[in-house]
Amino acid sequence: TQLLEQSPQFLSIQEGENLTVYCNSSSVFSSLQWYRQEPGEGPVLLVTVVTGGEVKKLKRLTFQFGDARKDSSLHITAAQPGDTGLYLCAGVIGNTPLVFGKGTRLSVIA
Amino acid sequence: NAGVTQTPKFRILKIGQSMTLQCTQDMNHNYMYWYRQDPGMGLKLIYYSVGAGITDKGEVPNGYNVSRSTTEDFPLRLELAAPSQTSVYFCASTQYSGGVYEQYFGPGTRLTVT
Repeated sequence: TQLLEQSPQFLSIQEGENLTVYCNSSSVFSSLQWYRQEPGEGPVLLVTVVTGGEVKKLKRLTFQFGDARKDSSLHITAAQPGDTGLYLCAGVIGNTPLVFGKGTRLSVIA
Repeated sequence: NAGVTQTPKFRILKIGQSMTLQCTQDMNHNYMYWYRQDPGMGLKLIYYSVGAGITDKGEVPNGYNVSRSTTEDFPLRLELAAPSQTSVYFCASTQYSGGVYEQYFGPGTRLTVT
């Protein structure tokens, strides 16, 4: 069973559209992170959220941590081709290593 | 600041061969990790280390071994390579501060076992 479920698995949109991807679990996380991975490269950390209900913005990206710290969302406004990539969420439970979801593969078409 | 470096970038092995994947970080992080990423399967943890001389198994350790003799280096050893070990391998190191992990990944090693 997958501890972190990400949806959708694939998403293809036109440039300028908005989108939201989700990361859900039945477990409570002490912190949750979002990464973006481009083809042929390692994941790069975008943001860490720690507090339930926390919202963080990174330019056109808005990250939200659920009140119960079991889920998170990533919203992209006015998507651009440079946003194309694999978006991974990862969570920490206690002192255990990071657990990763399978990711959402986003394609933004110009 | 090089961050996390991995060598080689690509490798083809025959079944039964052995090899070592190298990983070095220059950020003085205590925590280091090895993951494998299969298509559509996300990242799975193979082994990790919380400091020099200390290693522990992750989710998928079978067929692999690690050592951590220094803070900087965390090599991954494959003995008797099998086709199931065809994957992309990522090394990562982690800064842990105030209950928050910030993980930095290397560029990966793409391994094919035929």
